[in-house]
Amino acid sequence: EIVLTQSPGTLSLSPGERATLSCRASQSVSITYLAWYQHKRGQAPRLLIYGASSRATGIPDRFRGSGSGTDFILTISRLEPEDFAVYYCQHHGNSIYTFGQGTKLEIK
Amino acid sequence: EVKLVEAGGGLVQPGGSLRLSCAASGFTFGSNWMHWVRQSPEKGLVWVSRIDNDGSSTDYADAVKGRFTISRDNAKNTLYLQMHSLRAEDTAVYFCARASYLYFGLDVWGQGTTVTVSS
Repeated sequence: EIVLTQSPGTLSLSPGERATLSCRASQSVSITYLAWYQHKRGQAPRLLIYGASSRATGIPDRFRGSGSGTDFILTISRLEPEDFAVYYCQHHGNSIYTFGQGTKLEIK
Repeated sequence: EVKLVEAGGGLVQPGGSLRLSCAASGFTFGSNWMHWVRQSPEKGLVWVSRIDNDGSSTDYADAVKGRFTISRDNAKNTLYLQMHSLRAEDTAVYFCARASYLYFGLDVWGQGTTVTVSS
């Protein structure tokens, strides 16, 4: 079973700064099956990125996904107040749909 | 408007049962695979189960295998999660989510329903 490890656990930044979130897989995975989500407390999670680097419908271009193999990155180029949330990567393989443990992006 | 609305959560004793439902609207429900994902107070998002578009194929996380059953009624545009032998660690907010048929990703989510397992 593939394990996704996200880092850091918590990231403290100010609006306008750049955020870099990491998702590392325990073995090489297909980029086709790597997605990123944003989740705010009390709300439905939101799909941000699919296929490791494609933005979902309506996602601003300040969100960028990259990576391959075992290392994937979600970059938010200029943080807006509404971007502070928890971010998860997800992988699908062998009938299992695994989430990472999440990175909490908080206001500094 | 594309929408998913969960229902059926509540307080249940350990060992008890509960059935969650997820009403879909605004899209052709029978065209999409569907998933259940949960979030407990201490943990992040955890995948629970998925079902294909006609209900012929299902998968489960190890933690719920043999206790939970996912099903769907495409005529009623409704997804279900039957939960038996509930444990304290099943306490969570349960979300239903639609899988995009164009790419891998859960592109529509409900607001969630809360399940509390406690005596």
